[in-house]
Amino acid sequence: QLQLQESGPGPAKPSETLSLTCTVSGDSISNNNYYWGWIRQPPGKGLEWIGNAYYTGRTFYNPSLKSRVTISVDTSKNQFSLRLNSVTAADTAVYYCTGQTRCYTCGMSVWGQGTTVTVSS
Amino acid sequence: QSVLTQPPSVSGAPGQRVTISCTGSSSNIGAGFDVHWYQQLPGTAPKLLIYNNFNRPSGVPDRFSGSKSGTSASLAIIGLQAEDEADYYCQSYDSSLNGLVFGGGTKLTVL
Repeated sequence: QLQLQESGPGPAKPSETLSLTCTVSGDSISNNNYYWGWIRQPPGKGLEWIGNAYYTGRTFYNPSLKSRVTISVDTSKNQFSLRLNSVTAADTAVYYCTGQTRCYTCGMSVWGQGTTVTVSS
Repeated sequence: QSVLTQPPSVSGAPGQRVTISCTGSSSNIGAGFDVHWYQQLPGTAPKLLIYNNFNRPSGVPDRFSGSKSGTSASLAIIGLQAEDEADYYCQSYDSSLNGLVFGGGTKLTVL
């Protein structure tokens, strides 16, 4: 059974780079059935799509975040990662990694449990 | 302001039927892009409830159903149960924004 687990260094300071990793277990990240992605949810608010990556390296980003976001796939570690530059308090959220079957516009069938990132000086 | 519009809250008594609407536009739902629905129980990650407008993943009870017409989609829940109390989100693709979009979410309260 495919499972995802987020990990990261914890709190971030304004202007720093947020880095998170999602470890995939139960299948190979190179399985060509999946698009890997990140979603975030600010405290008390709704869901926001950050972006997706395919194991080949092809990426899709939210236009509103595109200038600050990089999603990459490491097939040797069965992991994919999120980097968000120049963070502010508005980037404080629970960050979820996700997997979509067959296409990045398909439903997000697999979710990690989420990791809370607080941006504060 | 979300691209997809959902009512902030709905409620119903146990056993009743409730529907949650998701209103989009000609650049997303109206353009034929699929709608997916997620259930988020308190303190947990969202879970895929309906995909491609009306399909249920394995394990989702048939009390949940989805439909789509024109620029809108709906999630219906029949035989409401206390465990259905959660936040529900619709999601689609928007060709103008060139990305995935979510509704603002609907809080379902079981009275």
